[in-house]
Amino acid sequence: QSMLTQPPSVSAAPGQKVTISCSGSTSNIGNNYVSWYQQLPGTAPKLLIYDNNKRPSGIPDRFSGSKSGTSATLVITGLQTGDEADYYCGTWDTSLSAGVFGGGTRLSVL
Amino acid sequence: QVQLQESGPGLVKPSETLSLTCTVSSDSIISSGYYWGWIRQPPGKGLEWIGNIYSSGSSYYNPSLKSRVTISVDTSKNQFSLKLSSVSAADTALYYCARIEFTRSYRLGVWNYYFYMDVWGTGTTVTVSS
Repeated sequence: QSMLTQPPSVSAAPGQKVTISCSGSTSNIGNNYVSWYQQLPGTAPKLLIYDNNKRPSGIPDRFSGSKSGTSATLVITGLQTGDEADYYCGTWDTSLSAGVFGGGTRLSVL
Repeated sequence: QVQLQESGPGLVKPSETLSLTCTVSSDSIISSGYYWGWIRQPPGKGLEWIGNIYSSGSSYYNPSLKSRVTISVDTSKNQFSLKLSSVSAADTALYYCARIEFTRSYRLGVWNYYFYMDVWGTGTTVTVSS
């Protein structure tokens, strides 16, 4: 069972917007920075967002992240069929002294 | 750009030790300032952090695996390795190595940790079976 809770799946039509939530606690999201990863089918995860809301070079601004309290959110706008993937949130858990991930959310672009 | 490549046996017998190596290209383990770590993904399941290590040897491990895991660094070869002992079928997974940003800041009486994997290897599948 993951320390961070994500919805198992979300879906939206091309061109629309989707939000993926990631819920944790004070010991992880509440006091530490959140990252998000995109895993396209059959490939390794790729860093999408780090430090709650920063994008690595090459990540389009259609992807954005935010954090409030013990929850974080990934927003994807202008959905494309190529965005169909599994998305994971991650952070450090201070109480466990361990890295933790959410269970992952599968995005379907209908 | 920085590349990581996992290598090691794809099949390990139950109760034996799983050993994997990650070779780092276009970055230096000893001078980059990053941590280096391992993440695994059982078939059809999500990501699980295994642990990470700094070039100095400072390391952190997943509490659920800590008694069986050792991560080490070979700076002369620019490689780091994973050893997982007493494996069972539950350890069957796709194993990834990654470069990890892991720092912290102190604000309002609390340490705030920055922790993310910015470069990943392509992954290697390990099956535990007799």
